[in-house]
Amino acid sequence: QAVVTQEPSLTVSPGGTVTLTCDSSTGGVTSDHYPYWFQQKPGQAPRTLIYDTSNKDSWTPARFSGSLLGGKAALTLSGAQPEDEAEYYCLLSYSGPWVFGGGTKLTVL
Amino acid sequence: EVQLVESGGGLVQPGGSLRLSCAASGFTFSSYWMTWVRQAPGKGLEWVANIKQEGSEKYYVDSVKGRFTISRDNAKNSLYLHMNSLRAEDTAVYYCARLTDSWGQGTLVTVSS
Repeated sequence: QAVVTQEPSLTVSPGGTVTLTCDSSTGGVTSDHYPYWFQQKPGQAPRTLIYDTSNKDSWTPARFSGSLLGGKAALTLSGAQPEDEAEYYCLLSYSGPWVFGGGTKLTVL
Repeated sequence: EVQLVESGGGLVQPGGSLRLSCAASGFTFSSYWMTWVRQAPGKGLEWVANIKQEGSEKYYVDSVKGRFTISRDNAKNSLYLHMNSLRAEDTAVYYCARLTDSWGQGTLVTVSS
């Protein structure tokens, strides 16, 4: 099965902007991969942030946005808050099975 | 309010079997694909399996094919994961999810002698 790659860790300053990316071993990520993004904090279940590239869940703060960027799926956080410190996972569809990325640990510091 | 509540986890010996259940409420269960995701201790998320609305399509991660079976009972608003030939590497918290917006709290499966 395909391998999905994310940055292992990123750091952003409070109020700053950061972009997390999600790459596929089978070639460029497209809307046909229906990219999802999830946030997970320690000891909690994951929460869906973004589905189908750029659609937001009802709880998703406006500072999060999803897109396709340079052949990858991207999650951009504009105006980072301390509560955004978490692990972020992307998920891609491969016409049946899905594959998670390894996760990005985002530090707000 | 959408709710997903998993149950059925526990301690099982290698080679054993277990059935996980997920009780859904607050939405029209039969209208949605449903998914099982797991997370081994200290590790990332792993997609395990999903099932189409009426159960006609099912997909699995390679590591569980032939051992796990996903199923659903739309009359009971329930999702299941039948796990056979369990291995130590199946030890994880198993989550039931409607991926667009809802996750259960998870149920822990520990495979150990």
